[in-house]
Amino acid sequence: EVQLVESGGGLVQPGGTLRLSCAASGFAFSDYVMSWVRQAPGKGLEWVSAITGGGDSTFYAGSVKGRTTISRDNSKDTLYLQMNSLRADDAAVYYCAKNPNHSMFYDILTGYYTAFGSNYYMDVWGRGTTVTVSS
Amino acid sequence: QSALTQPASVSGSPGQSITISCTGTSSDIGAYNFVSWYQQRPGKAPKLIIFDVSNRPSGVSDRFSGSKSGNTASLTISGLQTEDGAHYYCHSFAGTSTHVVFGGGTKLTVL
Repeated sequence: EVQLVESGGGLVQPGGTLRLSCAASGFAFSDYVMSWVRQAPGKGLEWVSAITGGGDSTFYAGSVKGRTTISRDNSKDTLYLQMNSLRADDAAVYYCAKNPNHSMFYDILTGYYTAFGSNYYMDVWGRGTTVTVSS
Repeated sequence: QSALTQPASVSGSPGQSITISCTGTSSDIGAYNFVSWYQQRPGKAPKLIIFDVSNRPSGVSDRFSGSKSGNTASLTISGLQTEDGAHYYCHSFAGTSTHVVFGGGTKLTVL
């Protein structure tokens, strides 16, 4: 059974740092793009970041770029999200999600290849870990 | 404000059909056939129900169907059941700069 289990959430002060983890099982972890998606209390879903199977390419939402780092340890089947300079609007449930394993996509509009095109959707989700930002 | 626009709520009676719209732009929905939909029940994680505009993952009921016309994608649920009551989110690839965008979500109430 494919399973994703997040951990590392908790209460952090504004300006603080947090590292979230996601333990994966039941599939060949290193073959798949992985994502983090968050949901603020009572709000909708917001994609945060993604990383290719080998960890060679990373992708970030504009709202977190520059203060967030996604990484993975394929020897431990674990995905990470390091968030710095946390703000009140970073408070949310953070979900780890598995993306599919399709080939590179050529974006004809930009002329670039991306590993994230056809792998844009999340087919398995964890239960989430809650991050609270408050003094 | 979400990048993709969905109605805040829709409702229907058991057995009826409903359609949820998701409007984007020529830079996301209109540009790619990369639209997915997620169902989220209260207190639960989202569940993928449609990908690549109209494809259903294994195990998802064929009462769920997806389509796209221009910059607008749609999710149709036929033969409504009380268990379909949930929030539904659309999601689209948006190019190599923005990457992906979500809709604000639609709450479906089955009366």
